[in-house]
Amino acid sequence: AQKVTQAQTEISVVEKEDVTLDCVYETRDTTYYLFWYKQPPSGELVFLIRRNSFDEQNEISGRYSWNFQKSTSSFNFTITASQVVDSAVYFCALRVYNNNDMRFGAGTRLTVKP
Amino acid sequence: DTAVSQTPKYLVTQMGNDKSIKCEQNLGHDTMYWYKQDSKKFLKIMFSYNNKELIINETVPNRFSPKSPDKAHLNLHINSLELGDSAVYFCASSQDKAAYQPQHFGDGTRLSIL
Repeated sequence: AQKVTQAQTEISVVEKEDVTLDCVYETRDTTYYLFWYKQPPSGELVFLIRRNSFDEQNEISGRYSWNFQKSTSSFNFTITASQVVDSAVYFCALRVYNNNDMRFGAGTRLTVKP
Repeated sequence: DTAVSQTPKYLVTQMGNDKSIKCEQNLGHDTMYWYKQDSKKFLKIMFSYNNKELIINETVPNRFSPKSPDKAHLNLHINSLELGDSAVYFCASSQDKAAYQPQHFGDGTRLSIL
């Protein structure tokens, strides 16, 4: 069975602080894919990134970076120099090869205060 | 230019009624999904269609019936609405059913049962 745990329910930071959102996953499959989605207060779900289980390279996109560590089954998301517009609920998700079920974590609500 | 569009955005109705939510995608994707997001923001897949064929049917009540007239549309019909059906329902689509494909979500339909 697949499972995604986002232990941080809520995080509050002040603008310009760096913040890391944790994601820990469980699966017995060797081929799987990890995703991050953002849900701003307006409610839509926005795709941010996908990582393959066979590619542990970290990725940076502007102020966003992702750290994938198979040894600890984690796929953490860091926002550098946070901004108020980063305030949202962030979801980590897992989908295994040949399985149509995308499993989402419970989400982490990030509040960035000015 | 909306990629995945759902109507209506809000739906308020009484217990026992039947209602439908429509979803259309203009991305040319083969696979579409319905998700339910409860009051605690937990997202769970309900259905998935690939080229008009059902490929997931999670353990949802049979009061919920997806209908796909063509691969660009996946509507959700709900019979005999219950209080517990109150949630936000998201439609999504992906290029195909491969697990690595990111899913693109609509803005959601907030269903409130009185």
